[in-house]
Amino acid sequence: KQEVTQIPAALSVPEGENLVLNCSFTDSAIYNLQWFRQDPGKGLTSLLLIQSSQREQTSGRLNASLDKSSGRSTLYIAASQPGDSATYLCAVLEGGATNKLIFGTGTLLAVQP
Amino acid sequence: KAGVTQTPRYLIKTRGQQVTLSCSPISGHRSVSWYQQTPGQGLQFLFEYFSETQRNKGNFPGRFSGRQFSNSRSEMNVSTLELGDSALYLCASSLVSGRETQYFGPGTRLLVL
Repeated sequence: KQEVTQIPAALSVPEGENLVLNCSFTDSAIYNLQWFRQDPGKGLTSLLLIQSSQREQTSGRLNASLDKSSGRSTLYIAASQPGDSATYLCAVLEGGATNKLIFGTGTLLAVQP
Repeated sequence: KAGVTQTPRYLIKTRGQQVTLSCSPISGHRSVSWYQQTPGQGLQFLFEYFSETQRNKGNFPGRFSGRQFSNSRSEMNVSTLELGDSALYLCASSLVSGRETQYFGPGTRLLVL
């Protein structure tokens, strides 16, 4: 059974700092991995999607990497801003005929001005 | 292009009642998935619909059901509500399969008293 873990559960950093969020999964037979952001009481905003054949994806100040063999992904946020404060979730899509995302428990990020 | 919309945004019901939630996917998207988010269990997959057919189902009791219409809009129904059904219900849409980016709506917050 696939399990997705995110470390740390919470993180507080001063504005301007670069930071890394971690995501690990137990079964490497995934089709893709997606990073989301969730603001309090809101839905999920897709940040980056990495297909299983890819090693990394970049969007602006965000860079996500994927190492399928070790079951790990990282989300790197450069030059953090207070507006980056949110919960960050990673989710894996298992291979096969399924649309089911399996989510991690999230990292609550607070960027202090 | 309009995003995923969900109605209603907030609902208060009492135990034993039933509720219907609605999700309109992004135009052109044919796959709609539903998730339940609670503080204790995190995000859990309920079911997925594609071309009016349930393609996948999560581990939830039969009180949870859904359907999809020919225009890809989807509804989910929860009968005989229990206190534990209080949650944020999110739907996600994607073009055909979850192999593309899945886009989430703002959610419906259900409170069962």
